[in-house]
Amino acid sequence: GAGVSQTPSNKVTEKGKYVELRCDPISGHTALYWYRQSLGQGPEFLIYFQGTGAADDSGLPNDRFFAVRPEGSVSTLKIQRTERGDSAMYLCASSSLSGIAYNEQFFGPGTRLTVL
Amino acid sequence: RKEVEQDPGPFNVPEGATVAFNCTYSNSASQSFFWYRQDCRKEPKLLMSVYSSGNEDGRFTAQLNRASQYISLLIRDSKLSDSATYLCVVNPVDMDYGQNFVFGPGTRLSVLP
Repeated sequence: GAGVSQTPSNKVTEKGKYVELRCDPISGHTALYWYRQSLGQGPEFLIYFQGTGAADDSGLPNDRFFAVRPEGSVSTLKIQRTERGDSAMYLCASSSLSGIAYNEQFFGPGTRLTVL
Repeated sequence: RKEVEQDPGPFNVPEGATVAFNCTYSNSASQSFFWYRQDCRKEPKLLMSVYSSGNEDGRFTAQLNRASQYISLLIRDSKLSDSATYLCVVNPVDMDYGQNFVFGPGTRLSVLP
């Protein structure tokens, strides 16, 4: 079956611009996660959705970052007034069960964001 | 102190060697633990969950020591295809932390012919 997909695969933008990154989770997965990964580091948690609501957004670095999941499926990560430090790989993951230990997260291939 | 720390690596080992990775975590409330594998320029994939009693999956053995807040991964008879970065993942799963999965920085393994 189809896995998690993310678009675009690469995004190059200029400092100060607005960008949207899209994630299509595996069908039926209620939990969705966004992570940011810099070279040589592990993924850094940004936000977790259970259904349509953001159950934990403690990882969002500042108010320039926002994410939505209006229908409980596709999610969009939005970054306003991008800065060069936002350049990273943005990973999305989904899982079928939330709040239960040992649930497996399936990751998408990521969006490589470069802010010039 | 970082929430999840791992051996810095890289580990370069010959085929057939046994190699062990260590991971420590700072949040004593952590409830679930995992090892993920990430190939170069690819997304992470679950290698195995880590259970309190320890668990084995083929050539891979994971151990958890809650008292020391320590997790290990042992790979026996290493193969060229085991070359990857191994990520230790911890999830507190309590009311204060929700589903905040914390990934370690990863340990890179290169298995050499």
